[in-house]
Amino acid sequence: GESVGLHLPTLSVQEGDNSIINCAYSNSASDYFIWYKQESGKGPQFIIDIRSNMDKRQGQRVTVLLNKTVKHLSLQIAATQPGDSAVYFCAENLGGGSRLTFGEGTQLTVNP
Amino acid sequence: GAGVSQSPSNKVTEKGKDVELRCDPISGHTALYWYRQSLGQGLEFLIYFQGNSAPDKSGLPSDRFSAERTGGSVSTLTIQRTQQEDSAVYLCASSLVGGELFFGEGSRLTVL
Repeated sequence: GESVGLHLPTLSVQEGDNSIINCAYSNSASDYFIWYKQESGKGPQFIIDIRSNMDKRQGQRVTVLLNKTVKHLSLQIAATQPGDSAVYFCAENLGGGSRLTFGEGTQLTVNP
Repeated sequence: GAGVSQSPSNKVTEKGKDVELRCDPISGHTALYWYRQSLGQGLEFLIYFQGNSAPDKSGLPSDRFSAERTGGSVSTLTIQRTQQEDSAVYLCASSLVGGELFFGEGSRLTVL
């Protein structure tokens, strides 16, 4: 399943499928990007980050892709599990001690 | 403590009363953020402290909101003359400069 981030804030997938969550960031000067996961009733938790000198970074079951040309960031979750159900936020940072700016968020629902 | 600690976890108050929300960041983190999150919504930036620099207050919604950070550590967010639209979860986060944010569990504020 795939979302278009700001235009489709919900994404529903079947357990075991791969999920793709998209984010369009705002500032071409941003040099650091982070994905956060927020479960119901909890604070956001760090998933994975990427610096602007990279275009791909892999973690455990997650991959972040960065396309600076179109200012687009995506989070890919392999073999999605019910425990992955949460809201996912992307965030960008201009660097040099500037603040982190969050995107709108995408609600991911994993159906068993 | 090991993580960001916020108190109280829940606060119910009457319209017009003042409230104070407290945040204990991770030791050694020079950056501290306050965000507000309404039910089912994204993260609304409020204020950002970085070391001894002047705080970025650009997200505070009105002059009823203020925050301070004493000794570069503990921060207090104060809302004066609370209104019903102030009801939300107030999230605090801390980080090293330019690094990932670590969030607390939030303070849920309900204004009756």
